[in-house]
Amino acid sequence: QQQVKQSPQSLIVQKGGISIINCAYENTAFDYFPWYQQFPGKGPALLIAIRPDVSEKKEGRFTISFNKSAKQFSLHIMDSQPGDSATYFCAASTISSASKIIFGSGTRLSIRP
Amino acid sequence: SAVISQKPSRDICQRGTSLTIQCQVDSQVTMMFWYRQQPGQSLTLIATANQGSEATYESGFVIDKFPISRPNLTFSTLTVSNMSPEDSSIYLCSVEVRGPYNEQFFGPGTRLTVL
Repeated sequence: QQQVKQSPQSLIVQKGGISIINCAYENTAFDYFPWYQQFPGKGPALLIAIRPDVSEKKEGRFTISFNKSAKQFSLHIMDSQPGDSATYFCAASTISSASKIIFGSGTRLSIRP
Repeated sequence: SAVISQKPSRDICQRGTSLTIQCQVDSQVTMMFWYRQQPGQSLTLIATANQGSEATYESGFVIDKFPISRPNLTFSTLTVSNMSPEDSSIYLCSVEVRGPYNEQFFGPGTRLTVL
């Protein structure tokens, strides 16, 4: 019940295309859903996050779509660029216990020039 | 946000030895965390380090193997004791910044190789 399932494991997208990464969760107590971006040799960096009281959040080319009834959320990267090539982790936690972040398994994204 | 540094950035160690990893943050934070990330894998929480109290370890991690210190609100150390090749991994510290979302920010990690 504490798991966050992430797919796909790897993704190749042409430059300018849309990258889509999906996550699903079971624990309805989760109320905070961050996405982290990690480049090789670096620590994960907080990219964008959403709370379940909204269905979508957009920051630049990055959009989180959230479906509370389906317990699913996804990251969309519009106009994907080679610099977006990285590993992306979805995650979930409760606001009251943000320390207990549950991470997805990660998606290795490659953007072909 | 928070700026976090870790030392060393990488190390190669012999089996049976111990390594202490340092984590420094540029502001005072209550919650600091230590994670392990094995190559190509996700992040696994080792323990939570609160200043002034004993660290809280997750299932599968014990204090004898991963002793943690938290002497003040900007610094913590993680020691990997009696190392074996299975301990080869990236060790990351993170901090929680209080706000509307209580976000976590990560350090650059320490890449450990045990021979």
